[in-house]
Amino acid sequence: QQPVQSPQAVILREGEDAVINCSSSKALYSVHWYRQKHGEAPVFLMILLKGGEQMRHEKISASFNEKKQQSSLYLTASQLSYSGTYFCGTEVTGAGTASKLTFGTGTRLQVTL
Amino acid sequence: KAGVTQTPRYLIKTRGQQVTLSCSPISGHRSVSWYQQTPGQGLQFLFEYFSETQRNKGNFPGRFSGRQFSNSRSEMNVSTLELGDSALYLCASSLGSGAGGNTIYFGEGSWLTVV
Repeated sequence: QQPVQSPQAVILREGEDAVINCSSSKALYSVHWYRQKHGEAPVFLMILLKGGEQMRHEKISASFNEKKQQSSLYLTASQLSYSGTYFCGTEVTGAGTASKLTFGTGTRLQVTL
Repeated sequence: KAGVTQTPRYLIKTRGQQVTLSCSPISGHRSVSWYQQTPGQGLQFLFEYFSETQRNKGNFPGRFSGRQFSNSRSEMNVSTLELGDSALYLCASSLGSGAGGNTIYFGEGSWLTVV
């Protein structure tokens, strides 16, 4: 089942902060975050594993709440380069080598001057 | 280190035709996955290959098939194309099989338009 991302879209002024959430109805093993700019490949940001620590990529960080099966991506002091669509990909527990990523529908982020 | 390379980048096909897309993974990566991306459905998993074996398959009709070669390069084929097959097809590679905590890297994709 596809994870649910919220919000669907957000507009920020440069320097503002934002939070993007990713929720699943299933027990998760990992959550992967990607950013995709128009016409380009999704770019890997970070991966959060069950039982793992909060991760950080420059001024972007993420957390994984195992009890809620929810991950949140925190964008601090946003820059113009942060604009794009953010996707979370979730991996459920117990799938073994048949595991795969199921992606949310994305959150479109636009940072303006 | 070269990234994931996909060819062709753009192509236009007619309904009923077939198409083959190619993907070269990052050197050393043995797993290749394919995704279909459309505005309405987002990123949908097609299948994954590891060491020339299909490890996982998404919910797509049998018209969608793939294979992986001994050098880890992969191809996907879509037969009897339909208008709804128009999409961006993304290839992704990783060191290990399945997500399993492996970082998955995407190529720039092949834009397929079916007319």
